[in-house]
Amino acid sequence: AQSVTQLDSQVPVFEEAPVELRCNYSSSVSVYLFWYVQYPNQGLQLLLKYLSGSTLVESINGFEAEFNKSQTSFHLRKPSVHISDTAEYFCAVSERGSEKLVFGKGTKLTVNP
Amino acid sequence: GEEVAQTPKHLVRGEGQKAKLYCAPIKGHSYVFWYQQVLKNEFKFLISFQNENVFDETGMPKERFSAKCLPNSPCSLEIQATKLEDSAVYFCASSPGQGAIGYTFGSGTRLTVV
Repeated sequence: AQSVTQLDSQVPVFEEAPVELRCNYSSSVSVYLFWYVQYPNQGLQLLLKYLSGSTLVESINGFEAEFNKSQTSFHLRKPSVHISDTAEYFCAVSERGSEKLVFGKGTKLTVNP
Repeated sequence: GEEVAQTPKHLVRGEGQKAKLYCAPIKGHSYVFWYQQVLKNEFKFLISFQNENVFDETGMPKERFSAKCLPNSPCSLEIQATKLEDSAVYFCASSPGQGAIGYTFGSGTRLTVV
């Protein structure tokens, strides 16, 4: 069975600082990996996903994540955060061929001025 | 449309009352999925449909929960005799294919059972 561990439940940072949100997964088969963002009182938005190919994937708003198969990790990074990045971030995994997502418990990113 | 429309946004029910949630998938998407997000941010898969057919219902509680996707109607998730522990945000997603790579989520329905 798959599982996802987000190691930090809360990450407070100052504006323009770099941030890393950690995600580790376990699965016995090949997987797809996702990061979703949930702004306060809103739904889930896909931030980025790893399907195959280059292990570094980027989003349009400056986030990137790197798939590390040996460490079974998919950490999310941004070199300089904005106040508007304050949100809950969820890492998720899906076995190839499966229709289901398994989510981590989320990391609340709070960007302070 | 290009969004998954969930209604209502908020729903308050007294314990024992029925709750019915709706989800209109993106046109052309043949798969619909329901997830429950409880207070501690845990997401639980409930059920998936391929068109009007149940595809996977392994996450559905055996009692009180039912779901349908009928042609030319929004999909629905119904909870009979709600309990306090049913309080959660219920998300619907649709996808053009079976895999999770094509998901688009709706904005959710927040159910509060009092």
